[in-house]
Amino acid sequence: TQLLEQSPQFLSIQEGENLTVYCNSSSVFSSLQWYRQEPGEGPVLLVTVVTGGEVKKLKRLTFQFGDARKDSSLHITAAQPGDTGLYLCAGAYEDGGSYIPTFGRGTSLIVHP
Amino acid sequence: DVKVTQSSRYLVKRTGEKVFLECVQDMDHENMFWYRQDPGLGLRLIYFSYDVKMKEKGDIPEGYSVSREKKERFSLILESASTNQTSMYLCASSPTQGTIKGYTFGSGTRLTVV
Repeated sequence: TQLLEQSPQFLSIQEGENLTVYCNSSSVFSSLQWYRQEPGEGPVLLVTVVTGGEVKKLKRLTFQFGDARKDSSLHITAAQPGDTGLYLCAGAYEDGGSYIPTFGRGTSLIVHP
Repeated sequence: DVKVTQSSRYLVKRTGEKVFLECVQDMDHENMFWYRQDPGLGLRLIYFSYDVKMKEKGDIPEGYSVSREKKERFSLILESASTNQTSMYLCASSPTQGTIKGYTFGSGTRLTVV
């Protein structure tokens, strides 16, 4: 069972367009994170959202945590070719006293010049 | 600059070989993780460790084992490599349980089993 569902799976857009990526769950998370992964490299942390309803901005990237802390979104304004990559959301669920990390399957973004 | 270092970027091994993937972190993190990443399947947790000499099975531990003799080093072992273990292997570490502090990933090892 995939605890974190990401959509869309693929996005191919032109430079300058806006886009939104979604990360949804039926479970409540104490925090969610977004990572970007470039080909041949490991994921790199972009942001952590902790409070329900929280909005964080990172230049042209806007991250939102749902009020119920079950979902999050990543919005990119005026996408650039340098935004190309795999975007992953991540959370941790509690199991027997340990916190187990879980990742969505990712959204593969290609921004064409 | 803090780092998670994986010993090899690319590795080609034969079916049946015993394979060791090494991961070292220099951040004094308590927690370390091994994932494999396959197209369409995302990151799947193989094993993790929240303390030296401690290990816990993740979602797909079959065919793998791990070793954590020192805090900074977490090794993944493929006891008898098979072609279905061809994949990208990613090591990660974090200072705390949960996601609040984030995970730092290595650059990955692309393993091909022939």
